[in-house]
Amino acid sequence: EVQLVESGGGLVKPGGSLRLSCAASGFIFDTFTIHWVRQAPGKGLEWVSSISSSSSHMFYADSVKGRFTVSRDNAKNSLYLQMDSLRAEDTAVYYCARMVVRGRSDVFDIWGQGTTVTVSA
Amino acid sequence: EIVLTQSPATLSLSPGERAILSCRASQSVSSYLAWYQQRPGQAPRLLIYDTSNRATGIPARFSGSRSGTDFTLIISSLEPEDFAVYYCQQRSNWPPLHTFGQGTKLEIK
Repeated sequence: EVQLVESGGGLVKPGGSLRLSCAASGFIFDTFTIHWVRQAPGKGLEWVSSISSSSSHMFYADSVKGRFTVSRDNAKNSLYLQMDSLRAEDTAVYYCARMVVRGRSDVFDIWGQGTTVTVSA
Repeated sequence: EIVLTQSPATLSLSPGERAILSCRASQSVSSYLAWYQQRPGQAPRLLIYDTSNRATGIPARFSGSRSGTDFTLIISSLEPEDFAVYYCQQRSNWPPLHTFGQGTKLEIK
């Protein structure tokens, strides 16, 4: 079965750090760009970051640039998101999502179940 | 930066009715727009790509179209499982940053 499973969420104080993980299975992990997308409580989806298959390209939303770092270990079929200098507004469910090309669109076809990050004193 | 504005924020309809959801882009964009469905407590699911192409396994009652910078998702006859939140999404050319609309909640009337 093709799946992504996130872990590492939890409660952290403002200014703190957290590292999220995303374990992939059922597909050839090192051929896909993988993304992080988050959803604040009761809010919509917000794209956070992406990393290309070979880690040659990483991109970030302005809201997290300079504070979050995406990485991957293809030997372990795993994706990571190092989150530093956390703020209350980073509170959200964090999803990892596989990107594929459908037609001429870059779309997210496989999503994890999400891991919850709460930033609060 | 492309901004995607969805309307209405909430749409109240009954099963069997037709739903029309809109997504307006802030600037001229390509046709590379996608739509997702998110049911409560679940991750999003890809519905439509390239404005009007259904993803694998998506029923024919879902369709998409475009007029200029206005994109539309139509559900021809609502089934109970269609009541959910719908998001449009697009990617900028370079850098490849992704944007989601704020969502339309489709609720049972």
